[in-house]
Amino acid sequence: RKEVEQDPGPFNVPEGATVAFNCTYSNSASQSFFWYRQDCRKEPKLLMSVYSSGNEDGRFTAQLNRASQYISLLIRDSKLSDSATYLCVVNIRNDYKLSFGAGTTVTVRA
Amino acid sequence: EAQVTQNPRYLITVTGKKLTVTCSQNMNHEYMSWYRQDPGLGLRQIYYSMNVEVTDKGDVPEGYKVSRKEKRNFPLILESPSPNQTSLYFCASRLSAAHNEQFFGPGTRLTVL
Repeated sequence: RKEVEQDPGPFNVPEGATVAFNCTYSNSASQSFFWYRQDCRKEPKLLMSVYSSGNEDGRFTAQLNRASQYISLLIRDSKLSDSATYLCVVNIRNDYKLSFGAGTTVTVRA
Repeated sequence: EAQVTQNPRYLITVTGKKLTVTCSQNMNHEYMSWYRQDPGLGLRQIYYSMNVEVTDKGDVPEGYKVSRKEKRNFPLILESPSPNQTSLYFCASRLSAAHNEQFFGPGTRLTVL
């Protein structure tokens, strides 16, 4: 079983729509969680950390569900510029390794 | 500008011809990693380095070597490249192993014929 699993999509949404997707992780000892954004085979960049109580950054909301071992990302009022692949990243602190999901592709259309 | 640089950005080579991909960071980061990215598989760690002269295998180290003689540089060496090493490679760094935000280089697209 993969350490981090994501629905690859693509999620095709119109501008202004809300889109949400999840990521599941296999190791219950995982300590830290992140969403990275990757544009068209360019380098990944940190989008946001995911905190236990959930957190927002503008139009982006991240949630963590430890009991079911998943994190989610919700994008409100989608913009064309949100089109990208979103990578779920999990840190199992005892070995400092960041485990990456294969990514969820979001395409926002005009 | 704080950044991670990699060279070359694109490389086409033939089986068995030794190559080195350089990686350098100017942020005084202790922790550096190499990843390869293949469709459907996500980023997989090849090697990592917790600090100067300290390197260790990641998930897919076979066919690769690294060195960390200086803090800023972490080259990836393919002694005898094979077609299954055709991939997109990323170097990354972060302040230390305990810090979570990781900065990536722009990537090296390698094709081995």
